[in-house]
Amino acid sequence: GAGVSQTPSNKVTEKGKYVELRCDPISGHTALYWYRQSLGQGPEFLIYFQGTGAADDSGLPNDRFFAVRPEGSVSTLKIQRTERGDSAVYLCASSLTVVGDYGYTFGSGTRLTVV
Amino acid sequence: TQLLEQSPQFLSIQEGENLTVYCNSSSVFSSLQWYRQEPGEGPVLLVTVVTGGEVKKLKRLTFQFGDARKDSSLHITAAQPGDTGLYLCAGAEYGNKLVFGAGTILRVKS
Repeated sequence: GAGVSQTPSNKVTEKGKYVELRCDPISGHTALYWYRQSLGQGPEFLIYFQGTGAADDSGLPNDRFFAVRPEGSVSTLKIQRTERGDSAVYLCASSLTVVGDYGYTFGSGTRLTVV
Repeated sequence: TQLLEQSPQFLSIQEGENLTVYCNSSSVFSSLQWYRQEPGEGPVLLVTVVTGGEVKKLKRLTFQFGDARKDSSLHITAAQPGDTGLYLCAGAEYGNKLVFGAGTILRVKS
């Protein structure tokens, strides 16, 4: 597609439930990133994929968070046993390999609210 | 992880005024980028600076990368209401990961 697509745009879930957030990157972008943004803050790095593999998952806060990108395109961020503190906007971005020249293209995000 | 500090956190000015936003770190970045974000949307790339001392202009916006590649500034001349938004700086660590500052909220009143 022309841009990065994220679904759903909004998700409300109960504490303790499992959620999946989907990201469809720009066609041809091999690198895919997940960030989390809390109100009034800049995006916080979660995980980065180069192709199908997670090249850097150092930003995942704990083992309740997991992400996959099985075919090197669409990625799913999975959160188990959600907590109220997980409420935030989850942003996905994609880029050509060399981020320094071209930067990221972000999706509009998924606003997750845990009640 | 390297940290980026942005200042000011919030800026409210009248249309036609000039302003500067600063982004500082104690660490060196391979490149630095500026993004603008509007409510309900993802950040949109404005510019990438790579070389120490580099200056780039985008219409009324001027971006500068410090000589040591640790800091950057964004200067807006004759601000307009359409410039209102959240401005984010982001440093590229070696590799592909970007580290973002907390952002500067700019409000331009007409």
